[in-house]
Amino acid sequence: DVKVTQSSRYLVKRTGEKVFLECVQDMDHENMFWYRQDPGLGLRLIYFSYDVKMKEKGDIPEGYSVSREKKERFSLILESASTNQTSMYLCATSTGAEAFFGQGTRLTVV
Amino acid sequence: AQKITQTQPGMFVQEKEAVTLDCTYDTSDPSYGLFWYKQPSSGEMIFLIYQGSYDQQNATEGRYSLNFQKARKSANLVISASQLGDSAMYFCAMSPRRGATNKLIFGTGTLLAVQP
Repeated sequence: DVKVTQSSRYLVKRTGEKVFLECVQDMDHENMFWYRQDPGLGLRLIYFSYDVKMKEKGDIPEGYSVSREKKERFSLILESASTNQTSMYLCATSTGAEAFFGQGTRLTVV
Repeated sequence: AQKITQTQPGMFVQEKEAVTLDCTYDTSDPSYGLFWYKQPSSGEMIFLIYQGSYDQQNATEGRYSLNFQKARKSANLVISASQLGDSAMYFCAMSPRRGATNKLIFGTGTLLAVQP
């Protein structure tokens, strides 16, 4: 079974902090994604990566950056956390015909 | 630009009845994949069904079937014989294909409540 693991289930951070959300997959998938999920807005794509050190902006990249130094790990970085970044963050990996999700990280910025 | 539209924010269905969840999409790519996911209150995303744009037959997986109408750009999910455990949020998604890059985009979701 494919496993996608996010480093934290719940996080509380202060405004202005630098926040790292980590995602690790145990399959050899090229494509990895970061989404945020908010009520009524569905899943919105923040960034995705189709290979090591390769990344593309999604629909809402502002305030975020990403890092993919190894194929299995894709990190989402909030350079200076703000209260409007309070949300559920989901990492996914894809073969093209199926996507596999982590359990999600509920981030609260206070 | 690619877009997925789910126009039903919420729906009710009686247990054991069939229900259709609507999904329309917009893309200029000739090759793409369509997906449905279920998200129960626990938050996990559960893959239900996949349809490729060149597939001739509608996809089916147990009680789930995808009513694919390419000319109308619709990919509705049909759940037959609803069960109480089907109560969840359902998301339609699309993956336009450009070489090796499969960007996956989602609709806003439909919350399904199955009534006994």
